[in-house]
Amino acid sequence: DSGVTQTPKHLITATGQRVTLRCSPRSGDLSVYWYQQSLDQGLQFLIQYYNGEERAKGNILERFSAQQFPDLHSELNLSSLELGDSALYFCASSVGSLRGYTFGSGTRLTVV
Amino acid sequence: EDKVVQSPLSLVVHEGDTVTLNCSYEVTNFRSLLWYKQEKKAPTFLFMLTSSGIEKKSGRLSSILDKKELSSILNITATQTGDSAIYLCAVGHGSSNTGKLIFGQGTTLQVKP
Repeated sequence: DSGVTQTPKHLITATGQRVTLRCSPRSGDLSVYWYQQSLDQGLQFLIQYYNGEERAKGNILERFSAQQFPDLHSELNLSSLELGDSALYFCASSVGSLRGYTFGSGTRLTVV
Repeated sequence: EDKVVQSPLSLVVHEGDTVTLNCSYEVTNFRSLLWYKQEKKAPTFLFMLTSSGIEKKSGRLSSILDKKELSSILNITATQTGDSAIYLCAVGHGSSNTGKLIFGQGTTLQVKP
């Protein structure tokens, strides 16, 4: 157990729907990162939050949004889902920037 | 465009063999290079290499960073079937207050008994 908790582990939903993925970072970690892993794209950085504030943004679609709450857990919201959004979504956390960067076990999203 | 390239993309060896995985990068403001092992799900951390720590070793695994050649290698000696996994190289870059990683495509290693 890495200490980073992601829920749910699996999610199957229809096109056009909206889902929320949840991540609880390791105790003491202030940074939360979201990544998307698909077969053809590999691991792609989406967004980083640090202590509740957005710190860095990657190629995150406008249909996707995220936030980090005062208790430091984070949620990734995916809306108007398309078949191409099917992927593994990973959350990672770290104390600062790159030290102790640890991944959760991921949420597998299947859009049908 | 920032990019990380790994080679080979896949590799099949037999137990006891030694393997070398390669990672090259082109990024702005390089900060560190990380290696991860991904089995069924979450990538697990192996090494982090920076300008002040260009060589790391842990058991049968070792890694070297060549800042001049903008590359790194991951060596695994006396391979075991449990080493079968995807090995990911990632580069941290940009300002010191962000933790964005750019990942390579990964090298899939299969170790046969």
